[in-house]
Amino acid sequence: SQQGEEDPQALSIQEGENATMNCSYKTSINNLQWYRQNSGRGLVHLILIRSNEREKHSGRLRVTLDTSKKSSSLLITASRAADTASYFCATAFQTGANNLFFGTGTRLTVIP
Amino acid sequence: NAGVTQTPKFQVLKTGQSMTLQCAQDMNHEYMSWYRQDPGMGLRLIHYSVGAGITDQGEVPNGYNVSRSTTEDFPLRLLSAAPSQTSVYFCASSYGAGGFETQYFGPGTRLLVL
Repeated sequence: SQQGEEDPQALSIQEGENATMNCSYKTSINNLQWYRQNSGRGLVHLILIRSNEREKHSGRLRVTLDTSKKSSSLLITASRAADTASYFCATAFQTGANNLFFGTGTRLTVIP
Repeated sequence: NAGVTQTPKFQVLKTGQSMTLQCAQDMNHEYMSWYRQDPGMGLRLIHYSVGAGITDQGEVPNGYNVSRSTTEDFPLRLLSAAPSQTSVYFCASSYGAGGFETQYFGPGTRLLVL
C-alpha cells in the first residue's frame, strides 16, 4: 500500500491542551497534505507542505515535515471542542500518477 | 459557489442492481476523482480524470465505471452492485493535478448493498 500511516489512531485531550498527530510514509514525496473530517461529513483541506519545506503554520495549526525520516506532524494548539474530528494525512509521490494517497486517520476528541 | 455536490446522500441497493452516483463542481476544476472510505482503511482512489474526455484508474477500480463528458460532471457507475461495495463515496476536485493541489471534497454518498 502507498498509504501513509497516522499515529496515534485515537487521541483524547482536554480543551485548551495541545494535540499532536504524526504521519509516516515510505516513498519520496512531492508534497504532504493534512485534512480534517467531521463526523458524517466530507474532508476539508488544512495545510499543504511541499518536500522542500520544513514547517508551515495556519492559525492554531503547525505542520512539520522531515523528509529524512519520511514523517510529518500536525500540532493543534489550544484545542477547542470544535476541533473534535478525524485528521488525515495524504501524500503525493514524486513518481507515478499525480494522485493523493490517504492514511487511515487519527480520531481526535477534545473534551470540554 | 456550491463547490462539489454529490447525489444521492444515501442509497440502498440490492446485489446485482446498477446505479450512478452523481458528482458536479462549479469551480472549473480540471481534475476530479472518486474515493471510497471504509472503516479503518482511510480513503482509496477509485477513478480519476485530468480533464473532459480523459479518465484513468486508481487503486480500486474494479466494479466501477466513469466518464467525463464535461468539465463540471464526473459520474461514477456501479454496473452490478456487490455487498463489498458498501461504503461511503466521496468525489473531489482540484485546479491542477490531484496530488499537487488542494482537493475540494463533496459531502459524500453513503451506499448500502444488501
